[in-house]
Amino acid sequence: TQLLEQSPQFLSIQEGENLTVYCNSSSVFSSLQWYRQEPGEGPVLLVTVVTGGEVKKLKRLTFQFGDARKDSSLHITAAQPGDTGLYLCAGGGGGTSYGKLTFGQGTILTVHP
Amino acid sequence: DAGITQSPRYKITETGRQVTLMCHQTWSHSYMFWYRQDLGHGLRLIYYSAAADITDKGEVPDGYVVSRSKTENFPLTLESATRSQTSVYFCASSEGRGWYEQYFGPGTRLTVT
Repeated sequence: TQLLEQSPQFLSIQEGENLTVYCNSSSVFSSLQWYRQEPGEGPVLLVTVVTGGEVKKLKRLTFQFGDARKDSSLHITAAQPGDTGLYLCAGGGGGTSYGKLTFGQGTILTVHP
Repeated sequence: DAGITQSPRYKITETGRQVTLMCHQTWSHSYMFWYRQDLGHGLRLIYYSAAADITDKGEVPDGYVVSRSKTENFPLTLESATRSQTSVYFCASSEGRGWYEQYFGPGTRLTVT
């Protein structure tokens, strides 16, 4: 069974601080995705990384895929209250049945004004 | 462009009753998924479908039934609801090729009393 471990599980910070969320596995994935979920809504896809070492930026969010394609990180610079939500990483391929994703448990981020 | 919709958004039912949650997508995606989301468990896959008339069990299928007679619809039925099935249910769809990206509906909050 493939597992994706996210850390930390909870993160409570002040506006303007930087933070990093980690997503680790012992398995290799073909792709790694990050989703954000706000209360009362479904997860929304933020980014997909597919190449080992790949870095993608989305405004203040920086996503990195590990060289071995087993881990990923999400870094937020100068966090804002609007960044509050549940962040989920999900891995595709790498032994899961075609089409399915393996989800991490999520990181609940709260940014205080 | 409606994307992916779920109905009802909220449902309260009694133990032992049958209840059906609806999911409809307008993208003609081949893959569709049902997840449940509970505190402490993240997203758990109940059933998925690779195409019309092709379905398969996920991680937690017991007590649930699915069907997919048309590409755009993927209803989830709880044959005899139990309190342990109180949860938030998300439907998702995916093109089924490329990088396995999934697009989620807004969710159905189900309470079984």
